[in-house]
Amino acid sequence: DTGVSQNPRHKITKRGQNVTFRCDPISEHNRLYWYRQTLGQGPEFLTYFQNEAQLEKSRLLSDRFSAERPKGSFSTLEIQRTEQGDSAMYLCASSLVQGIYGYTFGSGTRLTVV
Amino acid sequence: GIQVEQSPPDLILQEGANSTLRCNFSDSVNNLQWFHQNPWGQLINLFYIPSGTKQNGRLSATTVATERYSLLYISSSQTTDSGVYFCAAFLQTSGSRLTFGEGTQLTVNP
Repeated sequence: DTGVSQNPRHKITKRGQNVTFRCDPISEHNRLYWYRQTLGQGPEFLTYFQNEAQLEKSRLLSDRFSAERPKGSFSTLEIQRTEQGDSAMYLCASSLVQGIYGYTFGSGTRLTVV
Repeated sequence: GIQVEQSPPDLILQEGANSTLRCNFSDSVNNLQWFHQNPWGQLINLFYIPSGTKQNGRLSATTVATERYSLLYISSSQTTDSGVYFCAAFLQTSGSRLTFGEGTQLTVNP
């Protein structure tokens, strides 16, 4: 197992375009989380899944954001009609429900909206 | 609301020095983790430590859950220790979300 994998690593898009990011968690982890981090700040929670069910969404997740985990394995995060304020690092993490090792984060996808 | 506070916000050391980073949290915790964010943005898990003391090489951490704080010790610091250190807590009142502090920016000079 190579840990949590995120693709792409970097994405530059024009304002108004749609973008989609992918996260592949650690295979035996049943929880998957999305976080957003802006420059100089700590990561902020967006949403999380337990298996394929999306159990919690932050108020940060506007209607332009949607996340899926269709088979309880990988997840996608889509941003529609991107805005410059969406520029950030998008981080994915996974964990076990009863884990004693906590969260494991991926390397992130850095989004720049121009 | 739920708060995780870290101090100091910035720390500059000479190589070989020791340091202590502090994390205060406002509620009872199920999970307390320390992360190091490298220059490429990846969060490296240092410790999962909801209570007690753990050591890993030159790093150690102590969480006193009853007093709602955790400390990260770095001994004999090296330039590769530079980066941002985050404390994050999974708080009982916040569901499953991990709440991060603002981080401590550590710079170790040669």
